[in-house]
Amino acid sequence: DIQMTQSPSSLSASVGDRVTITCRASQGISNSLAWFQQKPGKAPKSLIYAASSLQSGVPSKFSGSGSGTDFTLTISSLQPEDFATYYCQQYNSYPFTFGQGTKLEIK
Amino acid sequence: VQLVESGGGLVQPGGSLRLSCAASGFTFSSYWMSWVRQAPGKGLEWVANIKQDGSEIYYVDSVRGRFTISRDNAKNSLYLQMNSLRAEDTAIYYCARGQALAYWGQGTLVTVSS
Repeated sequence: DIQMTQSPSSLSASVGDRVTITCRASQGISNSLAWFQQKPGKAPKSLIYAASSLQSGVPSKFSGSGSGTDFTLTISSLQPEDFATYYCQQYNSYPFTFGQGTKLEIK
Repeated sequence: VQLVESGGGLVQPGGSLRLSCAASGFTFSSYWMSWVRQAPGKGLEWVANIKQDGSEIYYVDSVRGRFTISRDNAKNSLYLQMNSLRAEDTAIYYCARGQALAYWGQGTLVTVSS
């Protein structure tokens, strides 16, 4: 199975900050990577697919990059509604796998 | 796009449960469909998916042989038959559209406990 490792596991930031979350795959997955945001008690929401394509309706403050084994999610100008847990997921090889999550908290 | 799961509940270890996911707002028969679960306080785990015509099906190892994913394109519905349930299957189960999980339902809680 492909292991997905996110870093950091938690992150404190302030409103207005720009943050970057990293996701590393244990083997190459081309660009078959998605990013999700999850708020407490809610279903995950898709942000990015194909490593860098913005899901419909998602603000451009979210951006993704990378290919192969190393990927990043960048969120610019943090707002209170952005504080949540973020997950990466590879869909290149079965079984599909998620990263362990990155909890973004308000400083 | 709307996905609505149902069928969750409390079941004893070794028991069975069938989850359903009603889809609307898109052409259901044109998309892979997936099940993803989340144990209480834990991260996300992909469970299974099924191709548009049901000709390809994949499972995570921990459920293979116990869970069966299926779909009825005429009814715009996705299913997950869960047998031989274990305590570790306790989770919120989400259905999601596609392999990149572009849209998710609100989830249905499955609790396996005696």
